Amino acid sequence: GQNIDQPTEMTATEGAIVQINCTYQTSGFNGLFWYQQHAGEAPTFLSYNVLDGLEEKGRFSSFLSRSKGYSYLLLKELQMKDSASYLCAVIIIGNQFYFGTGTSLTVIP
Amino acid sequence: EAGVTQFPSHSVIEKGQTVTLRCDPISGHDNLYWYRRVMGKEIKFLLHFVKESKQDESGMPNNRFLAERTGGTYSTLKVQPAELEDSGVYFCASSQEALSTDTQYFGPGTRLTVL
Repeated sequence: GQNIDQPTEMTATEGAIVQINCTYQTSGFNGLFWYQQHAGEAPTFLSYNVLDGLEEKGRFSSFLSRSKGYSYLLLKELQMKDSASYLCAVIIIGNQFYFGTGTSLTVIP
Repeated sequence: EAGVTQFPSHSVIEKGQTVTLRCDPISGHDNLYWYRRVMGKEIKFLLHFVKESKQDESGMPNNRFLAERTGGTYSTLKVQPAELEDSGVYFCASSQEALSTDTQYFGPGTRLTVL
């Protein structure tokens, strides 16, 4: 089966930097997505990686190492509104997303 | 541009009853997906429509679930009869292209509770 692992919970301080890790063991790989989800709302797209390396988009960056089955999402200059669940999702074949259980991030003052 | 919308936002039904969930994708998106998240678990794929055709329904749990997309616009997901284990949040997503690189845009979900 497919296995996507993320930490369940993380806490970080406003203004700081936090790194959320995602490891995967899957039969094939066509790309990795990160989504942000606030409670009761739709998951919203943050980033996409298919090649090794770092993708930067404002305060958010995502890194991928395919050989290690590893990705991380880096959030800089944390704001209170960044408190949310962060979902790692891998596409293996077709268009099926395989999701991790999500990381609940709490930003404290 | 309106996002993916889902109706209802919440549904509470008794075991054995029928419930129909609706998803309206982003206008012009041919690809529509249904996902489900049961409590404490990850979001799991149910099926994928390309226009009105079912491209992949490998994630549908059993024949109590029926998804349709007549006309290739909105989609419905019917659960009949509902069982306790069907409780969870049902998400719909849509994308413009049927490529693995194409971003899927999610709706807010329908929270289904079966008593």
